[in-house]
Amino acid sequence: GEDVEQSLFLSVREGDSSVINCTYTDSSSTYLYWYKQEPGAGLQLLTYIFSNMDMKQDQRLTVLLNKKDKHLSLRIADTQTGDSAIYFCAETNTGFQKLVFGTGTRLLVSP
Amino acid sequence: AAGVIQSPRHLIKEKRETATLKCYPIPRHDTVYWYQQGPGQDPQFLISFYEKMQSDKGSIPDRFSAQQFSDYHSELNMSSLELGDSALYFCASSFSLGQLNSYEQYFGPGTRLTVT
Repeated sequence: GEDVEQSLFLSVREGDSSVINCTYTDSSSTYLYWYKQEPGAGLQLLTYIFSNMDMKQDQRLTVLLNKKDKHLSLRIADTQTGDSAIYFCAETNTGFQKLVFGTGTRLLVSP
Repeated sequence: AAGVIQSPRHLIKEKRETATLKCYPIPRHDTVYWYQQGPGQDPQFLISFYEKMQSDKGSIPDRFSAQQFSDYHSELNMSSLELGDSALYFCASSFSLGQLNSYEQYFGPGTRLTVT
């Protein structure tokens, strides 16, 4: 079955690095995503990674994938107060299919 | 860049009424997805359409129906509304290149439905 879990809350100070973790159970997951949701707003696609990759870097964002352990992480370097939001990981088996979202991690960045 | 447009942004209905939510995908996107996000919850997939045909179905109640039109916009019709239908409804779109899958779903701002 499909189950995606995240820790509920993370608090960091401005300028520190943030690491948000996600575990999934579906071994056929092919694509894994990170979305950002600010209060009352939509879901912003931050980045995604194919299951045949183990790392992807995009400016301040670094995604690490451990397929053996079914563990995905998002590292945000030099975290800013504007990064405060809920971060969802999501997975899908093929490009046409539904996204299955994790429970979301609320990131709070304090000055 | 053009984004996914959803209307209305806010909607207040009474129990047992009907509601229609509209979604206009990013230009050239041919696939539309609908998700429901309850308060404090993660988005749950409802239904999707590719080239005007239903491509996948999730936990969509029988009271709900949806379709995609020839201009690729989509409408989610909700009847006999219940209090539990109060949620944020998101539409997302993606595009395919012939038979190639599309890996990027872009979300609209959502429609907040309140049922009283």
